[in-house]
Amino acid sequence: QVTLRESGPALVKPTQTLTLTCTLSGFSLSTSGMCVSWVRQAPGKALEWLARIDWDDDKYYSPSLKSRLTVSKDTSKNQVVLTMTNVDPVDTATYYCARIQPYDFARGYMDVWGKGTTVTVSS
Amino acid sequence: QSVLTQPPSVSAAPGQKVTISCSGSTSNIGMHYISWYQQLPGTAPKLLIYENNERPSGIPGRFSGSKSGTSATLVITGLQTGDEADYYCATWDSSLSDGEFVFGTGTTVTVL
Repeated sequence: QVTLRESGPALVKPTQTLTLTCTLSGFSLSTSGMCVSWVRQAPGKALEWLARIDWDDDKYYSPSLKSRLTVSKDTSKNQVVLTMTNVDPVDTATYYCARIQPYDFARGYMDVWGKGTTVTVSS
Repeated sequence: QSVLTQPPSVSAAPGQKVTISCSGSTSNIGMHYISWYQQLPGTAPKLLIYENNERPSGIPGRFSGSKSGTSATLVITGLQTGDEADYYCATWDSSLSDGEFVFGTGTTVTVL
């Protein structure tokens, strides 16, 4: 069974760096063709794509957040990590990770999602 | 601000049909496949339709998708109270050099 589970701090202060972890189960990012994305949703707002990392370590970022985001993988732990620097209250949201199938950009979709982790940015 | 536009809300009585539109451009819907996601209140999104009109295992045939040019449509027939949720279209957008995955503005379905 494929599952993803997000974890991270529930509260961070403005200007700090936020680090979120997505733990994968039932599949591995060391397997050819596997990809994982991060998506967030501010309270009452639409879904917003943040980043994607592929099995071959290719990475893609939302153009509007690219300067603040870094996505990485630890295949030994079967985890994907997202860091966001210089957070602001507008970054308050529920953050999801999701598996992408297939890796082809033209066809890709998010077939399995984690339950999400809620992050509040406040002093 | 999303590049994929959806109506904010649609509603219908139980058993009826609702149609949700998703309008984009040649750099996104016009070039790539569409997927649709259902988000029940307080839960994570769930894949509903992929590759324009394919349903994952377990998704009932009451949900169907289509695409024409730079627009896509999700149709829900035989509406049930359990279908009350937010629905999002999504696809890849190639307008920038690196591209990005984009979601629609979202549509709330209300069963009257």
